[in-house]
Amino acid sequence: GESVGLHLPTLSVQEGDNSIINCAYSNSASDYFIWYKQESGKGPQFIIDIRSNMDKRQGQRVTVLLNKTVKHLSLQIAATQPGDSAVYFCAENLEYGNKLVFGAGTILRVKS
Amino acid sequence: DTGVSQNPRHKITKRGQNVTFRCDPISEHNRLYWYRQTLGQGPEFLTYFQNEAQLEKSRLLSDRFSAERPKGSFSTLEIQRTEQGDSAMYLCASSLDRGGHGYTFGSGTRLTVV
Repeated sequence: GESVGLHLPTLSVQEGDNSIINCAYSNSASDYFIWYKQESGKGPQFIIDIRSNMDKRQGQRVTVLLNKTVKHLSLQIAATQPGDSAVYFCAENLEYGNKLVFGAGTILRVKS
Repeated sequence: DTGVSQNPRHKITKRGQNVTFRCDPISEHNRLYWYRQTLGQGPEFLTYFQNEAQLEKSRLLSDRFSAERPKGSFSTLEIQRTEQGDSAMYLCASSLDRGGHGYTFGSGTRLTVV
């Protein structure tokens, strides 16, 4: 969904289920993408990144999928845990090392 | 090295006062970035440095804002004549300009202008 001001989209999942968080990025020329997790009162924490020459990358319990045709990025979290509750942001840039442009965040709530 | 360090963590100031924040990046990182984040929004780019050179400044960075990185290590962000609209979290990040694994962010400085 779209986020406006304080009304970030929220995804609520049951502990142990898989989570999928989506992001639409803005620039078709972007070359590098990152997912960040941000907990209350803390800075964004790196989760996983992917370059535009790939369409999938896996980490520990996380997978990022990139669809350049529709400028869409998704983050899949396997076996979601209460500690995964946070706001998740995708970010893009034209070339690694330059400024990042952040998308609207998604709140992930994990129910025990 | 324990990551990107920002000081102070919180700052409350009266409107019209000047404030200065400090960022100590990861020591081997040559790029340093400043972002601003307001409640419910993603971080917005302000400016970045490669070593001591300031390579880009956002239009968000009005003439009341100035950033420096004099020796290519730590950086300062100064806001002059603060306004209530400056209240936000100010985040610093650092990276290597090639390769690496993302950009590492600090915990931020939360500014409240009263």
